[in-house]
Amino acid sequence: SQKIEQNSEALNIQEGKTATLTCNYTNYSPAYLQWYRQDPGRGPVFLLLIRENEKEKRKERLKVTFDTTLKQSLFHITASQPADSATYLCASGYSTLTFGKGTMLLVSP
Amino acid sequence: SQTIHQWPATLVQPVGSPLSLECTVEGTSNPNLYWYRQAAGRGLQLLFYSVGIGQISSEVPQNLSASRPQDRQFILSSKKLLLSDSGFYLCAWGRTGSGYGYTFGSGTRLTVV
Repeated sequence: SQKIEQNSEALNIQEGKTATLTCNYTNYSPAYLQWYRQDPGRGPVFLLLIRENEKEKRKERLKVTFDTTLKQSLFHITASQPADSATYLCASGYSTLTFGKGTMLLVSP
Repeated sequence: SQTIHQWPATLVQPVGSPLSLECTVEGTSNPNLYWYRQAAGRGLQLLFYSVGIGQISSEVPQNLSASRPQDRQFILSSKKLLLSDSGFYLCAWGRTGSGYGYTFGSGTRLTVV
């Protein structure tokens, strides 16, 4: 079955810098990968989806890439702000989604 | 617009007591519905999903069951709670293979004591 792996260590960056989070998958190449944001005590919120045949997707300050050779997706937040501090989840699947454990991002002023 | 309601927000229940968590979706028809659990420090674990009324698929053998009595209603139940059932329960809706993300409810924090 598909496994989604994310760096379990928190990522600490300064405000204004670009945050880059990594998502690796095993086994088959998924048709698409999804990224979610989760704040403490809340449900995840869908951010972006990138399809297998797309190299890059952008939405405002967010950018996602998909490298099927490396079996990896990168999630970038440019000009990061303290309000971007949250846990970011990567997910993949067809009829159901398998989620990674998420990476906590801490943006300090 | 579509909305998803989940309640209660928090629940403290003794071991051996029953459980009923309810989730309803508005603004869409025939959604796929999902129950996930998130234990402390762990990822989201899919418990059940449903593609239609009365159709339930179980992903993990456990002390829980799910039902879908109406198109936009999904219920998670247990006859006797265990300590290990504690966690953050999340209901979500989505569309199979659509490539669109899931919409999650606000979650229920369950503590079994």
